[in-house]
Amino acid sequence: DAGVTQSPTHLIKTRGQQVTLRCSPKSGHDTVSWYQQALGQGPQFIFQYYEEEERQRGNFPDRFSGHQFPNYSSELNVNALLLGDSALYLCASSLRRLAATDTQYFGPGTRLTVL
Amino acid sequence: AQKVTQAQTEISVVEKEDVTLDCVYETRDTTYYLFWYKQPPSGELVFLIRRNSFDEQNEISGRYSWNFQKSTSSFNFTITASQVVDSAVYFCALSERQTGANNLFFGTGTRLTVIP
Repeated sequence: DAGVTQSPTHLIKTRGQQVTLRCSPKSGHDTVSWYQQALGQGPQFIFQYYEEEERQRGNFPDRFSGHQFPNYSSELNVNALLLGDSALYLCASSLRRLAATDTQYFGPGTRLTVL
Repeated sequence: AQKVTQAQTEISVVEKEDVTLDCVYETRDTTYYLFWYKQPPSGELVFLIRRNSFDEQNEISGRYSWNFQKSTSSFNFTITASQVVDSAVYFCALSERQTGANNLFFGTGTRLTVIP
């Protein structure tokens, strides 16, 4: 049973650049959520994708955008990178059901460093 | 507004000691869900347990046990006979039905070090 996978593992960018992170959900899951984890902090919710649409969004600027593909995989894009965007980016997948919450399973994350 | 507080930033114990990690939450929703995740040095968050707000029954899984008390808004996690492999950062998290059940709010984590 394949778990959540993310690529790349590490990434180094400079201020002002753009970055794309990728996530494949756990087998059988259809919903992908993205989280940002700054050093020494808990993860913060960025947004969630289901049926190829952004369903919910946390308190993040429009520089953060995403996409979900028909095979349920997802991308996170960050434009105009700032030093403060340096963090571990975690992808989580779950199976969406009405009127219920489903446990999210996390990938290993992508460590982004902005210089 | 929702909030999760893990007051213990770091805890160190000697192997085989018991340790309890505290979690206090705030929510106005009547239906909510509580979680514990473990984050080893590799970075991946590992799911440990989920509790629904209407189920206050405590749970034991091997050396792990969880104490959910709605009266004090706490969801504490105890490791019995700790082992070196338990060393990690542990996160308590909350999701609410009203704000979107898949949106997890995390505490700041407790770093547990088990000394051999």
